[in-house]
This record gives sequence, structure tokens and C-alpha cells, in this order.
Amino acid sequence: EVQLVESGGGLVKPGGSLRLSCEVSGFTFTTYSMNWVRQAPGKGLEWLSTISSSSGHIYYADSVRGRFTISRDNAKNSLFLQMDSLRAEDTAIYYCARAVGFSDYWGQGTLVTVSS
Amino acid sequence: DIQMTQSPSTLSASVGDRVTITCRASESISSWLAWYQQKPGKAPKLLITKASNLQSGVPSRFSGSGSGTEFTLTISSLQPDDLATYYCQQYNTYSFGQGTKLEIK
Repeated sequence: EVQLVESGGGLVKPGGSLRLSCEVSGFTFTTYSMNWVRQAPGKGLEWLSTISSSSGHIYYADSVRGRFTISRDNAKNSLFLQMDSLRAEDTAIYYCARAVGFSDYWGQGTLVTVSS
Repeated sequence: DIQMTQSPSTLSASVGDRVTITCRASESISSWLAWYQQKPGKAPKLLITKASNLQSGVPSRFSGSGSGTEFTLTISSLQPDDLATYYCQQYNTYSFGQGTKLEIK
């Protein structure tokens, strides 16, 4: 069974940093690209970033480029999102998802709240 | 950037109705379009890929069509379990539509 489990969310002050993790199981992590997608409260889905299987190709949405960094550890079946210079508008549920162009499997999400 | 526009934003329909949601791309995306269903408090669920390919396990009342810049998601006979918000996503550069909230009358 494919499982993706996000962690690392919480309350952080504006300007602060947070690192999200996503542990996966049930598929060969090393052969898949991975996505981060977020959803602000009451809003729609926003694609944030994609990393290829070997980390050789990385893409970001304009809204987070230069502030967020996606990475992965294939030995630990883990995906990460380092979030710096956080703003109130970054408040959202953050999902990791397996990427095959589209996202076919999703985690349950982790809530990030940016507030003073 | 490719912009995705869904219509309508909200749709109210009765059980048994045929429902159609439209998604328009700001430029051609060939057939690189997916549809997702998101129920309240849950992660999105993939329904359709490459504009018209139904994912395994998705009820056959769901179908997708279109290519280029205009796409549709159709539910042939609405069921109570279909209460959800539906999103399209182009997977050239990954942007989502703003969502269509489907309400059951």
C-alpha cells in the first residue's frame, strides 16, 4: 500500500523558517519525482515544487522561488521542503504527492500557520 | 505561465442529474490535463489523467474530454457521494484551476 506521511508543520512567526518532511512507503521512491502542493484555508490547490527522482531537475512556483527549497533523501525514502522567510500568506496545509506529471498519491497534509 | 480557469465556481445539482464542469487553459496543453476530487477535510483524489483516462477504481459515471485549451469533466448521474470540490490541473507546468464546488440540492 502506497503511503505518504507529512510532518513538521506548526506555528511559526513571520520571517521564520520551518522544514517539512514526507516519509513514503509502498513504492520504489528512487524511481519517482515528487511534488509539494499547498492549500490555504478555504482556498484552492497551489503547486509549489517538483523534484526529479535523482534530484537533477527541480522546479518551483514563482510564489516560493528563492524562499523554499525542495530536497530528498533516497536512502531514507524521504522528501523535504525547507521554508524560509515565511509570510502570513504561506499559511496552508502542505501536501506531498507522488509525481508522474500529475499527482497520483497524496499524503494527508501538514498544517503550517504563520502568525505573530 | 499557463492559467487554468474553471467554470462554474459553484454548482448545485440534484441526485441523478448530469453535471458538467469546464476547464480552460490560457494556451494549448495538448491533453496534459488531470482532474481531482477533494472532499471536505481530505487530500485530493486523482480521477482522470490525460484529459480522458479514468483512474482505476473511479466510478464510470465520471468522464473527461477535450484537448488543446478546453476540457470538461462530466458526471453522468450525480450521486450523494459526489459532494466535493473538483480541480483541473495541467501538467506541462503544473498549475491548477481554482476549483468547482459541487453541492447536492
